[in-house]
Amino acid sequence: QVQLVQSGAEVKKPGASVKVSCKASGYTFTSYYIHWVRQAPGQRLEWVGIINPSDHYTNYAQKFQGRVTMTRDTSTSTVFMDLGSLTSEDTAVYYCAREFGDAFDYWGQGTLVTVSS
Amino acid sequence: DIVMTQSPDSLAVSLGERATINCKSSQSVLFSSNNKNYLAWYQQKPGQPPKLLISWASTRGSGVPDRFSGSGSETDFTLTISSLQAEDVAVYYCQQYYNTPRTFGQGTRLEVK
Repeated sequence: QVQLVQSGAEVKKPGASVKVSCKASGYTFTSYYIHWVRQAPGQRLEWVGIINPSDHYTNYAQKFQGRVTMTRDTSTSTVFMDLGSLTSEDTAVYYCAREFGDAFDYWGQGTLVTVSS
Repeated sequence: DIVMTQSPDSLAVSLGERATINCKSSQSVLFSSNNKNYLAWYQQKPGQPPKLLISWASTRGSGVPDRFSGSGSETDFTLTISSLQAEDVAVYYCQQYYNTPRTFGQGTRLEVK
């Protein structure tokens, strides 16, 4: 069965970086795009960006340009999201989600990132 | 960016009754070359990730009960739950995947009256 399993919760200080992983299983890793979406407390879902595991193409939301990097490791079927220059406004649950020219059909369980001094 | 606006923000419906949630996009999400609306609906329960209910505005996802249906085209869309069950209590989001950035509505909280 398709699964996206994310890394555990993180607590970071302002100005630091965080790297969240998303390990895929149950399907051909390079056949589906992976998106990252975040949800701050009480806020709507917010798209962070997309990575194509096949060719490493990435596209980031403008508000994250310059401080987000998405990568993948095809040997472990894992994608990573690295977000830097953290502020309290980055406190959120971060999700990875799978797409194939369509809506997001499978989601990771979410990773809570807390930014606090 | 395409702005997605849902109405109402919250809704209370009696068990067995119909629930209707609306979603409006700031521009059309109908792709003319294939006549498909790039619009999805998700259900999110507390502590869980969103679950895909509907894609292409009206196609139910795998395993989604047939009491859930989607309709609409271009800029105006509706999610209908024909007979509310207790397990349908959740927040519902619409999303456009017509272009990037993918954008979501603000969510509609559905409760039992």
